[in-house]
Amino acid sequence: QVHLVQSGAEVRKPGASVKVSCKASGYTFYTYGIHWVRQVPGQRLEWMGWINIGNGHTDYSQKAQGKITISRDTSTSTSYMEVSSLRPEDTAIYYCARVGSNWEFDYWGQGTLVTVSS
Amino acid sequence: SYELTQSPSVSVSLGQTATITCSGLDLGDKSVCWLQQKPGQSPLLLICRNNWRPSGIPQRFSASNSGNTATLTISETQAMDEAAYYCQAWVSTTPYFGGGTHLTVL
Repeated sequence: QVHLVQSGAEVRKPGASVKVSCKASGYTFYTYGIHWVRQVPGQRLEWMGWINIGNGHTDYSQKAQGKITISRDTSTSTSYMEVSSLRPEDTAIYYCARVGSNWEFDYWGQGTLVTVSS
Repeated sequence: SYELTQSPSVSVSLGQTATITCSGLDLGDKSVCWLQQKPGQSPLLLICRNNWRPSGIPQRFSASNSGNTATLTISETQAMDEAAYYCQAWVSTTPYFGGGTHLTVL
């Protein structure tokens, strides 16, 4: 059974950074990419970027470029997303998701709420 | 950039058929998936091209895609189907999501 388990909710002050983790289980970690998607409560899903677990290559949306860094640790089957220079408008639920062999977002983490407030 | 447009809300009577649409330029040439999201939950993959559904998704959910419009059809709509529905498509190697349609079951 595939599972993606994310780290717990975080509260940060403006200007700080946060690192969210996503631990995968139930499949061979390096055979699928991990994508990160954010959702401001009540709003649409917004793709931020992804990492090729096999070779570590990353790609980010234009909006997220320079704002986030995605990484992985194959020894623990975990992907990480760090968001820097946080602003109140970065308050959102951040999801990791696996993209399957037919380019479908087939499994999602439970989401991590990041709140940015002074 | 690429825009996927969905109506914000759709209502359907219990047991009737619900239709949710998603529009985008030449969307019929792209692979489209639909996801369901209930309040407080993560998105759930429902259906993709050729009506492929993950294990456990009922056959009541079907999809089509042609021209500039993709359509999700829910037959015999149940109360448990009340949720937000998002279309998703790839443009090259970048995924895009629609704005979501909230389905109300009356």
